[in-house]
Amino acid sequence: EAGVTQFPSHSVIEKGQTVTLRCDPISGHDNLYWYRRVMGKEIKFLLHFVKESKQDESGMPNNRFLAERTGGTYSTLKVQPAELEDSGVYFCASSQDQTKTQYFGPGTRLLVL
Amino acid sequence: QKEVEQNSGPLSVPEGAIASLNCTYSDRGSQSFFWYRQYSGKSPELIMFIYSNGDKEDGRFTAQLNKASQYVSLLIRDSQPSDSATYLCAVKSGGYNKLIFGAGTRLAVHP
Repeated sequence: EAGVTQFPSHSVIEKGQTVTLRCDPISGHDNLYWYRRVMGKEIKFLLHFVKESKQDESGMPNNRFLAERTGGTYSTLKVQPAELEDSGVYFCASSQDQTKTQYFGPGTRLLVL
Repeated sequence: QKEVEQNSGPLSVPEGAIASLNCTYSDRGSQSFFWYRQYSGKSPELIMFIYSNGDKEDGRFTAQLNKASQYVSLLIRDSQPSDSATYLCAVKSGGYNKLIFGAGTRLAVHP
């Protein structure tokens, strides 16, 4: 069974540009989470989807970040416009239900210049 | 005060020794505790989880939880060079499903 996949693996963009990250959860996992790790800091929660609904978006830093999960399958996280402080590794995780293990994807390394 | 604190390390142990990794958390309402291992450039991988006070063993790994002291630890027996990685402590508080991570402890096991 395929694990959580993320695309792209790396992205380098200039400040002010837009970037869209994609996450494909493990098949059948209704719960999808976005986290990010900025340089030298701990991994921090961004938001949690249950199917297509946002269950908890308390970690989203500001309105430049937009997450969607249309149809309850894959999710996208768009950053528009990107700022220097958005650089970091963006992880996606999924779980079968809310009490079960969260399985992490390999992450997207975003560098904003 | 950070919600989940870990010593960043590196913790250096010889092959075959016991590695002891520690974590403290600030929220007394925390109910679930997780240890993830992360190799450089890879995704975090769950090693152990623990919900109740006491010890939980799985192979060479033992997780220990003391809710009164707000302390959770991970022991790795017979450490191997392949155990060299960053170990992340994560906590879930009651009613929330998000994981709150510590910054991680880097473990180096030398032959």
